[in-house]
Amino acid sequence: AQSVTQLDSQVPVFEEAPVELRCNYSSSVSVYLFWYVQYPNQGLQLLLKYLSGSTLVESINGFEAEFNKSQTSFHLRKPSVHISDTAEYFCAVTLTGGGNKLTFGTGTQLKVEL
Amino acid sequence: ETGVTQSPTHLIKTRGQQVTLRCSSQSGHNTVSWYQQALGQGPQFIFQYYREEENGRGNFPPRFSGLQFPNYSSELNVNALELDDSALYLCASSLDQGDSYEQYFGPGTRLTVT
Repeated sequence: AQSVTQLDSQVPVFEEAPVELRCNYSSSVSVYLFWYVQYPNQGLQLLLKYLSGSTLVESINGFEAEFNKSQTSFHLRKPSVHISDTAEYFCAVTLTGGGNKLTFGTGTQLKVEL
Repeated sequence: ETGVTQSPTHLIKTRGQQVTLRCSSQSGHNTVSWYQQALGQGPQFIFQYYREEENGRGNFPPRFSGLQFPNYSSELNVNALELDDSALYLCASSLDQGDSYEQYFGPGTRLTVT
């Protein structure tokens, strides 16, 4: 079975500062990796995903994540955050060929302050 | 193109009662997955339906059951409600035969069991 660890439950950061949200996974077989964002009182939205190819993936709003197979990590980074980035971020995995059955981490609350 | 919708938004039930939650998938999507998100936790996979058949189940007891209809909408039924069933229930739709591994989540139903 696969599992996801998000060690940081909360990350406070000032606006325009860089941020990294950490995600480590455990699986005996190959996986696909995802980051989802959840704004208050809303459902989850896909931020970015790694399926294959380049290990660095980017979102349209400036986030990026790098798949590191040797360290079994998929950390999320943004060089300069905005107030609007305040939300809960979830890392998730699914087995390759697993058909969208996601295993989520416990989430990291990103709080951007002025 | 409409997104994923869920009803009701909020629900309060008493321990031992039964509840039915509903989900309308995004147009063109033939797969619906249900997740339970307890307070402060990441979503946990309950089960998935593909073309009206159950296509995988997480670690949930049989009192959690579901249906998918010919129009690909879905229901989640929970019998003999327990206090620990209090959570946000999310449904997500996807086109399982696609290679994109993208799921679209609804806003969720907040269930409170007293």
